[in-house]
Amino acid sequence: DGGITQSPKYLFRKEGQNVTLSCEQNLNHDAMYWYRQDPGQGLRLIYYSQIVNDFQKGDIAEGYSVSREKKESFPLTVTSAQKNPTAFYLCASIRQGAGQPQHFGDGTRLSIL
Amino acid sequence: SQKIEQNSEALNIQEGKTATLTCNYTNYSPAYLQWYRQDPGRGPVFLLLIRENEKEKRKERLKVTFDTTLKQSLFHITASQPADSATYLCALRTNLYTGNQFYFGTGTSLTVIP
Repeated sequence: DGGITQSPKYLFRKEGQNVTLSCEQNLNHDAMYWYRQDPGQGLRLIYYSQIVNDFQKGDIAEGYSVSREKKESFPLTVTSAQKNPTAFYLCASIRQGAGQPQHFGDGTRLSIL
Repeated sequence: SQKIEQNSEALNIQEGKTATLTCNYTNYSPAYLQWYRQDPGRGPVFLLLIRENEKEKRKERLKVTFDTTLKQSLFHITASQPADSATYLCALRTNLYTGNQFYFGTGTSLTVIP
């Protein structure tokens, strides 16, 4: 079955450390997204990419970086510049066209040691 | 910026009753609005979509209404079951030509009591 795979499920980061969250999709979708979810705040957009080798900042991009070298993959790096990285991170993809729903992975929960 | 508000408090209802969840938005006019279900520790799952020129959509026990004058969408679950207990998110997509972003509400936690 097609879908989105996020790994790892749980991740711990030490102070000053960069960590990379993986997101892979086999749905052949063009656009991919990264969201951050905090209690009581809903999903906030970090970055999104509509095509390979191109991506745009979302509302809370500071302290994060992404790459889109392959259509299937959209990894997110949480850098040491992100001072409050503890959150639930969700990756999504969407087929281009009006009215298409987003397909989500099952998230990565990042915590600070 | 776009602001989307959902029922701020958790909603508890008795099994068999109809659950009604609210999504209110301000500023931009949405091209369409989607509803998702999210279980603890999982990603959201798409349920229904309604376009700006539609008043109502149905799918089995689910019904969505869309009032662009009130800037509000209502999501109904009829004959609710304990298995419907989850957090429900609304997501708004603005004009397709201004970007490919979705704006999510904070979600409403629904508990169906047996």
